[in-house]
Amino acid sequence: DAGVIQSPRHEVTEMGQEVTLRCKPISGHDYLFWYRQTMMRGLELLIYFNNNVPIDDSGMPEDRFSAKMPNASFSTLKIQPSEPRDSAVYFCASSLWRKTVTDTQYFGPGTRLTVL
Amino acid sequence: QQQVKQSPQSLIVQKGGISIINCAYENTAFDYFPWYQQFPGKGPALLIAIRPDVSEKKEGRFTISFNKSAKQFSLHIMDSQPGDSATYFCAASKYNQGGKLIFGQGTELSVKP
Repeated sequence: DAGVIQSPRHEVTEMGQEVTLRCKPISGHDYLFWYRQTMMRGLELLIYFNNNVPIDDSGMPEDRFSAKMPNASFSTLKIQPSEPRDSAVYFCASSLWRKTVTDTQYFGPGTRLTVL
Repeated sequence: QQQVKQSPQSLIVQKGGISIINCAYENTAFDYFPWYQQFPGKGPALLIAIRPDVSEKKEGRFTISFNKSAKQFSLHIMDSQPGDSATYFCAASKYNQGGKLIFGQGTELSVKP
């Protein structure tokens, strides 16, 4: 399996521009998570989906952030308009949750976003 | 109540020594406690996990110790190696939330040769 695929791996943009991050989860997984990682705030859960339906978006920082999962193999995280404080590494993770101790979230390689 | 507090923030250990990282949680409804390992430029990856019905779990050089009454759990890395140098995150979740993880702040471990 190719694992969780994220694109782009690096994104540099200017303040005010729209940014779209993409994620392809592992085939067959029923949960998808979006995280943001910064030195100051650590690893924060932004939103997660179950069977393509958003379950909890309480971590989304503000209305500038939106996420969609149109099908089981694709999700996007959009920031519009972007601000310098959005600079971070954004991770997508997926899991097949069957309530066993071996369940885990598989993380993608991340997208490093820099907003100038 | 959703917080998971992790310490220390950074740790330097000599090769062959024992690395110990501690976490504390507040929400007694948490029933799954994994540890993740992250190397620079990579996403976190599951290292070892425990459910609260056991007090200890060992996998190779890695051991989780769990104290339910104190609401604390820790990761012990025996015979630490330079290749263990990474950032370690503890986490907690409630199984009925489909694996939604609350992460600690992370510990940057450096193992000196």
